[in-house]
Amino acid sequence: RKEVEQDPGPFNVPEGATVAFNCTYSNSASQSFFWYRQDCRKEPKLLMSVYSSGNEDGRFTAQLNRASQYISLLIRDSKLSDSATYLCVVTHNTDKLIFGTGTRLQVFP
Amino acid sequence: EPEVTQTPSHQVTQMGQEVILRCVPISNHLYFYWYRQILGQKVEFLVSFYNNEISEKSEIFDDQFSVERPDGSNFTLKIRSTKLEDSAMYFCASSVQLSNQPQHFGDGTRLSIL
Repeated sequence: RKEVEQDPGPFNVPEGATVAFNCTYSNSASQSFFWYRQDCRKEPKLLMSVYSSGNEDGRFTAQLNRASQYISLLIRDSKLSDSATYLCVVTHNTDKLIFGTGTRLQVFP
Repeated sequence: EPEVTQTPSHQVTQMGQEVILRCVPISNHLYFYWYRQILGQKVEFLVSFYNNEISEKSEIFDDQFSVERPDGSNFTLKIRSTKLEDSAMYFCASSVQLSNQPQHFGDGTRLSIL
């Protein structure tokens, strides 16, 4: 079983739509959780950390369910500029980042 | 905003040759990392480095790989005898401390082995 699993997509949504991505992780001892964004052939960029209580940053909301080992990202009011690959990332007991393969989002006009 | 810088942006090398990839982490950061991403695949951890020594390395980071912080600013990844399968995007990252602090990535070096 993969350590971090994501639906590769692509998710094709119109501007203004709400879209949600899910991610599951296999190690129950995982400690830190992040969503990174990666544009084509560019570096991963931190979108947001994910906290146990859930957290929001503008149009982006992240949720963590430790019992189900599940992380989600919700994007409201999608913009064309949101088109990218969204990477679910966890750490275990070290600072090594463990990446999922990513979910590709394409927002169309 | 301070950023991690990497050079070169693209390196083309003959198989069997040595290559050195260079990184300048953010100046007050103490933890340094190398990751790689083969085209179409996920980002994979190679090595972490703190206090002038390797903290952790992956199975990918075999004897052909080494890292060094030769001065107060540069952090380098050396591949001694490159193989075709070393072709990938190599990302350097740094963070200010452990404990849930995010890692900031450079824009990568594309390594092409011929």
